[in-house]
Amino acid sequence: AQRVTQPEKLLSVFKGAPVELKCNYSYSGSPELFWYVQYSRQRLQLLLRHISRESIKGFTADLNKGETSFHLKKPFAQEEDSAMYYCALSEAYNTDKLIFGTGTRLQVFP
Amino acid sequence: EPEVTQTPSHQVTQMGQEVILRCVPISNHLYFYWYRQILGQKVEFLVSFYNNEISEKSEIFDDQFSVERPDGSNFTLKIRSTKLEDSAMYFCASSEVRQGANVLTFGAGSRLTVL
Repeated sequence: AQRVTQPEKLLSVFKGAPVELKCNYSYSGSPELFWYVQYSRQRLQLLLRHISRESIKGFTADLNKGETSFHLKKPFAQEEDSAMYYCALSEAYNTDKLIFGTGTRLQVFP
Repeated sequence: EPEVTQTPSHQVTQMGQEVILRCVPISNHLYFYWYRQILGQKVEFLVSFYNNEISEKSEIFDDQFSVERPDGSNFTLKIRSTKLEDSAMYFCASSEVRQGANVLTFGAGSRLTVL
């Protein structure tokens, strides 16, 4: 069965420190991977997706099929990055559903 | 920026009562979804809806759940006889085309508390 694992419930860093939010997945096919973010009192929103290969708000994520990982990285964390981050997987065109990880809360201290 | 709107934001109900959660998807979107998140757990897919019928549903979406698009704008989730374990945040989402590599736009959620 498809699964998304985010091993850290909470990640705390100081402003300016590098950040890496880990995401591992299990899926035998070619998945589509996403990072969604939920800022305090706001709705869940897309941060980035692997097919776009883009950097959003300084965040990047590379799909590593060998390690089945899609870690989210930012070289210098900002206080406004504090939020809940969810990694999600889709089987692309075979299904409608997104499979979410349990989420990692990122706290960036000043 | 267009938003997915959900009402109510919070509903408290007694076990066994029927609940209807409402959603207004983005107007040009064709695919609609319900997800739920029990406190402390992951966001889980419930159902997808396209062309006035269910496209896909999860094992969670049993006979007590139903979805409907009663008019051109609303998309509703009905829970016929609520149970304590139905307490959760319910998220509506919509997308222009079928989820896959595409992007979902989520609503702010409706928190359901079953007593």
